[in-house]
Amino acid sequence: GAGVSQSPSNKVTEKGKDVELRCDPISGHTALYWYRQSLGQGLEFLIYFQGNSAPDKSGLPSDRFSAERTGGSVSTLTIQRTQQEDSAVYLCASKEGNQPQHFGDGTRLSIL
Amino acid sequence: LAKTTQPISMDSYEGQEVNITCSHNNIATNDYITWYQQFPSQGPRFIIQGYKTKVTNEVASLFIPADRKSSTLSLPRVSLSDTAVYYCLVGDRRGISGTYKYIFGTGTRLKVLA
Repeated sequence: GAGVSQSPSNKVTEKGKDVELRCDPISGHTALYWYRQSLGQGLEFLIYFQGNSAPDKSGLPSDRFSAERTGGSVSTLTIQRTQQEDSAVYLCASKEGNQPQHFGDGTRLSIL
Repeated sequence: LAKTTQPISMDSYEGQEVNITCSHNNIATNDYITWYQQFPSQGPRFIIQGYKTKVTNEVASLFIPADRKSSTLSLPRVSLSDTAVYYCLVGDRRGISGTYKYIFGTGTRLKVLA
């Protein structure tokens, strides 16, 4: 079946611009997760959504980062006023119940 | 601060058994412990998940001691295609609200030699 889909797969933008990254979870999965993978920091948890509950935003690295999940399905991670240190691969995962998280292949973000 | 650690790298020969340990001794969780394999330019791919003692599937085994402060992934007979980076993932519940964070291990780069 269809896995977690992320778009775009690659994004290059100039410092100071805003970017939106999209995640389409596996159909029926109620939990959705965002991570960041960078050379210096490894895999870093950002935020997760469980059903219709308010997400825990404390893992977001700064107030320039925000995320929403509409209708309990698609999620968007937004980075405002991008900085060079935001360059990384942004990964999304989804799961249902006690099953493991299933990951997409990520969006590679490059800030010039 | 919750932290998970793994060996940085390991080398092995084809056909050998490989064991990779993840230490998560200050994680406060009753969540499952999950292991992933990652190839370049791909997302982590699920290998195995367990809660306690031993779990085995068609590709690996997972050993979790009673104190759950570590876990060991065992790959029984590795092949060249198992060359990848392996990560553990654990949940960590912190604070009065009991909110969860998910913490990846530091990753182990496994190189399988012919």
